[in-house]
Amino acid sequence: RKEVEQDPGPFNVPEGATVAFNCTYSNSASQSFFWYRQDCRKEPKLLMSVYSSGNEDGRFTAQLNRASQYISLLIRDSKLSDSATYLCVVNQGWNSGGYQKVTFGIGTKLQVIP
Amino acid sequence: NAGVTQTPKFRVLKTGQSMTLLCAQDMNHEYMYWYRQDPGMGLRLIHYSVGEGTTAKGEVPDGYNVSRLKKQNFLLGLESAAPSQTSVYFCASSYGGDRDNQPQHFGDGTRLSIL
Repeated sequence: RKEVEQDPGPFNVPEGATVAFNCTYSNSASQSFFWYRQDCRKEPKLLMSVYSSGNEDGRFTAQLNRASQYISLLIRDSKLSDSATYLCVVNQGWNSGGYQKVTFGIGTKLQVIP
Repeated sequence: NAGVTQTPKFRVLKTGQSMTLLCAQDMNHEYMYWYRQDPGMGLRLIHYSVGEGTTAKGEVPDGYNVSRLKKQNFLLGLESAAPSQTSVYFCASSYGGDRDNQPQHFGDGTRLSIL
């Protein structure tokens, strides 16, 4: 099982639709979770952290389910500008090298269609 | 506030040539990272540093060396470039120590082609 798994998509959705992505992780000791957005030929940019109680930022809602070991990202009222690849990022905690192992998912591509 | 700055943005090398990629951050971050991103494979960690004067191997370190002589700079060297090292390279930084579980901030990448 991969450490972090995402459906690569693409997800093609019409403007105004609601779309949800899931990301599963294998290490139950993982400590923190993030969603990043990456536009074509650009660097990944932090979209939002994912908190245990769930959190919302405008049209974006992130959820964490520790029991089933997955995180989710919900985008409401999709805009054309939301078209991008969304990376799931999991901090698995301290490793023997003295740093926190952070693993990136392969990303889910979203295309919002007019 | 520049954040994380990478130079150069683009480079074309011939097989066997060497070069150094520079990463600079002005956020006083302890941790710095070098990744490569290839189609269908996501981000893979090459080397990382948990502080000035320290470096360690990541997932795909072969063919690369790094140095962190100053806290704000993290250099990635290709000793003898190979076509398999054609990729997009990203540098990132984050807080460390007692400020763990913080997100990483990325530079805008270096597109490297090895002919």
